[in-house]
Amino acid sequence: SQTIHQWPATLVQPVGSPLSLECTVEGTSNPNLYWYRQAAGRGLQLLFYSVGIGQISSEVPQNLSASRPQDRQFILSSKKLLLSDSGFYLCAWTVRERTDGYTFGSGTRLTVV
Amino acid sequence: AQTVTQSQPEMSVQEAETVTLSCTYDTSESDYYLFWYKQPPSRQMILVIRQEAYKQQNATENRFSVNFQKAAKSFSLKISDSQLGDAAMYFCAIEGGYGGSQGNLIFGKGTKLSVKP
Repeated sequence: SQTIHQWPATLVQPVGSPLSLECTVEGTSNPNLYWYRQAAGRGLQLLFYSVGIGQISSEVPQNLSASRPQDRQFILSSKKLLLSDSGFYLCAWTVRERTDGYTFGSGTRLTVV
Repeated sequence: AQTVTQSQPEMSVQEAETVTLSCTYDTSESDYYLFWYKQPPSRQMILVIRQEAYKQQNATENRFSVNFQKAAKSFSLKISDSQLGDAAMYFCAIEGGYGGSQGNLIFGKGTKLSVKP
């Protein structure tokens, strides 16, 4: 069966520190991968998506970047965190045929202090 | 560009009763998918139900059903026999299609559902 792993679950980082959030998918090949951010009390905002290794598209200009070094691995990074980067980050995947909807990871709560 | 509007920030329902959450959307795509996701306090996003736009028949999943009105661009969620575990944020979403955004999900701002015992 397909599963998605996302870690860490919570993270408190000082302003100006680097960030690395990791997401991995099991049980499928060549998925579409997504990073979303959810601010407190709001909906989800798409940050990045990837349709293949090394292929990253950005939806929102920001202080973050994403990479896909392997087919089922998606990484969200920052060189220097800002206070405004605080939020709840969700990784998601879907198969290209769009038949089963989107599956989300359990999320990472990031607090920048 | 696709947009999703959920006009009810909060809703409340008595346990065992029925509640309907509203969602309207806008898209220029002819082939698209619509979703309802549930986000409980754990913040895990859980797929509740999905609807393929080319299918006229409304989707159902146990106590959850949708009223899909394509011409009106409306996609409401009906929860029957509400249970305490149904209390959560509910998000309506549309897939962006195979255009420039490669099937990305566009979310509404959500409706917070409370269930009273």
